[in-house]
Amino acid sequence: QKEVEQDPGPLSVPEGAIVSLNCTYSNSAFQYFMWYRQYSRKGPELLMYTYSSGNKEDGRFTAQVDKSSKYISLFIRDSQPSDSATYLCAMRKTGANNLFFGTGTRLTVIP
Amino acid sequence: EAGVVQSPRYKIIEKKQPVAFWCNPISGHNTLYWYRQNLGQGPELLIRYENEEAVDDSQLPKDRFSAERLKGVDSTLKIQPAELGDSAVYLCASGIRDREAEAFFGQGTRLTVV
Repeated sequence: QKEVEQDPGPLSVPEGAIVSLNCTYSNSAFQYFMWYRQYSRKGPELLMYTYSSGNKEDGRFTAQVDKSSKYISLFIRDSQPSDSATYLCAMRKTGANNLFFGTGTRLTVIP
Repeated sequence: EAGVVQSPRYKIIEKKQPVAFWCNPISGHNTLYWYRQNLGQGPELLIRYENEEAVDDSQLPKDRFSAERLKGVDSTLKIQPAELGDSAVYLCASGIRDREAEAFFGQGTRLTVV
């Protein structure tokens, strides 16, 4: 079993929809939780990160971490065609700099 | 500020040939990572440097892969000899030690072994 699980999709939504992307994990030592966006043939780009549990909001994006359930989410409000990309969750333990990635969810926002 | 620069962007080689990838991290970043991303998968760590020291290379296939980071700045990753299964995107990332949540990625080198 992989330490980080993510539904690969693909996920298609109409423009303006609310998108929910999720990951689960098995290692309770993870303390930092990140979401990366990766456009086709580009490197991953850091969108948001959260330390420990709680919510964090940045514009149309909201990241949630529920450590009791070992479950993290990224919500995208008012989705735009430019949001079409693969979204990767990533996690790391305190004191360790290695990132553990999910497989990524491919999102398409249809105009 | 320039981001992480990698070259080449694309490389096609025959199996058993050697290949090398180059990475220039963001100025001032002392941590450098090499990741491999297979098609439809998330990146997986190959090696991590703190300055010029390789502090985690447990996932690097040492029989054919090697890496170096001269003077704690640029880094090269080499494969010799390449195998068909090495076809992937090789990503370099950099960050600042103790700023654990932030790693900035380059655009990657897409390697195809035929």
